[in-house]
Amino acid sequence: AQKVTQAQTEISVVEKEDVTLDCVYETRDTTYYLFWYKQPPSGELVFLIRRNSFDEQNEISGRYSWNFQKSTSSFNFTITASQVVDSAVYFCALSEARGADGLTFGKGTHLIIQP
Amino acid sequence: NAGVTQTPKFQVLKTGQSMTLQCAQDMNHEYMSWYRQDPGMGLRLIHYSVGAGITDQGEVPNGYNVSRSTTEDFPLRLLSAAPSQTSVYFCASRTVNSPLHFGNGTRLTVT
Repeated sequence: AQKVTQAQTEISVVEKEDVTLDCVYETRDTTYYLFWYKQPPSGELVFLIRRNSFDEQNEISGRYSWNFQKSTSSFNFTITASQVVDSAVYFCALSEARGADGLTFGKGTHLIIQP
Repeated sequence: NAGVTQTPKFQVLKTGQSMTLQCAQDMNHEYMSWYRQDPGMGLRLIHYSVGAGITDQGEVPNGYNVSRSTTEDFPLRLLSAAPSQTSVYFCASRTVNSPLHFGNGTRLTVT
């Protein structure tokens, strides 16, 4: 069975600080995808990144970066120079490559950026 | 291009009532699915479909029915609503090599 653990229920930082959201996953598959989604206070789910299990390169997109380490089954997300607009709930998710459909989600990390 | 459209946005039901949550996508995606989001629980898969005429159960299917008569539509039916079904429901779709695209959600309260 697949499992995604986001141990940080809530994180609060002051604007401009860097913050890392942790994600640890479990799967028996050798081929799988990992995702991060953002859910702002308005409630919609916004796709941030998808990474397949064969691609361990770190990725950077503006102030966002992701660190994928298969050795520790982790897919951590770092926001550099955080802004108030980054306040949201962030979900890490996992899917099997051969799976039809469904993602297994972590329970989410509520990130609060204080001005 | 509307993406994934869910209706209604809000709904209040009484225990025992039935209703259908509508979901439509205009991206010609093969895969569609329904999730429910509860506080502190993340999102959990209810039912999914890999194409018209094909549906299957997810993690929490009890109390819900689905059908997929067209590629575009994937309605979720609550046959006899219970307070435990109070939740936010998200419909999502994707094609083979794309991430999930989510609708904006339906907030359902069962009293």
